[in-house]
Amino acid sequence: QQQVKQSPQSLIVQKGGIPIINCAYENTAFDYFPWYQQFPGKGPALLIAIRPDVSEKKEGRFTISFNKSAKQFSLHIMDSQPGDSATYFCAAARGGNQFYFGTGTSLTVIP
Amino acid sequence: NAGVTQTPKFQVLKTGQSMTLQCAQDMNHEYMSWYRQDPGMGLRLIHYSVGAGITDQGEVPNGYNVSRSTTEDFPLRLLSAAPSQTSVYFCASSLRGQKAFFGQGTRLTVV
Repeated sequence: QQQVKQSPQSLIVQKGGIPIINCAYENTAFDYFPWYQQFPGKGPALLIAIRPDVSEKKEGRFTISFNKSAKQFSLHIMDSQPGDSATYFCAAARGGNQFYFGTGTSLTVIP
Repeated sequence: NAGVTQTPKFQVLKTGQSMTLQCAQDMNHEYMSWYRQDPGMGLRLIHYSVGAGITDQGEVPNGYNVSRSTTEDFPLRLLSAAPSQTSVYFCASSLRGQKAFFGQGTRLTVV
């Protein structure tokens, strides 16, 4: 059973567009929601994270929107660039260590 | 500061062979964990540890053993490799409730 459901599986946008990746969870015990970026042949790297007491968090061109009542959260990438082309994973964690990941979104930004 | 170091980077095993995937971190993190990454499945938690001498099972623990004798090291053992264990394995470490750092991964093929 997938603890965190992620969509879409793949996404293609033009440079400057705003790709949006969505995730949903069921377990209300989750208390930490990170997004990871992964390039081919590399390990995932933390992009941005949010806790359930906040509805939005921005770091540079990356924004997380969090809807606690709907148990959904999403990643927005403003002014996307070809260098943003990567696989993005949402995750949810409880107790600081047990991370449950979504299935990933392959993003391609076309120049 | 090396972060999280995994060895080896690549490995081919025959069915029934055993091996140990090594993971070491130099950040004095209390939490360490192992994930496997398969196409379309995201990252799935195998085992995790909240400190030296303490380990627990994640989502997919069958066929894997772990131990944590020191804060720095968290090896993953495959006692009798099976083709279903062909995957990319990632080790991660973190402080409680904080950013998780991932290693570069070990690509394992079982033939």
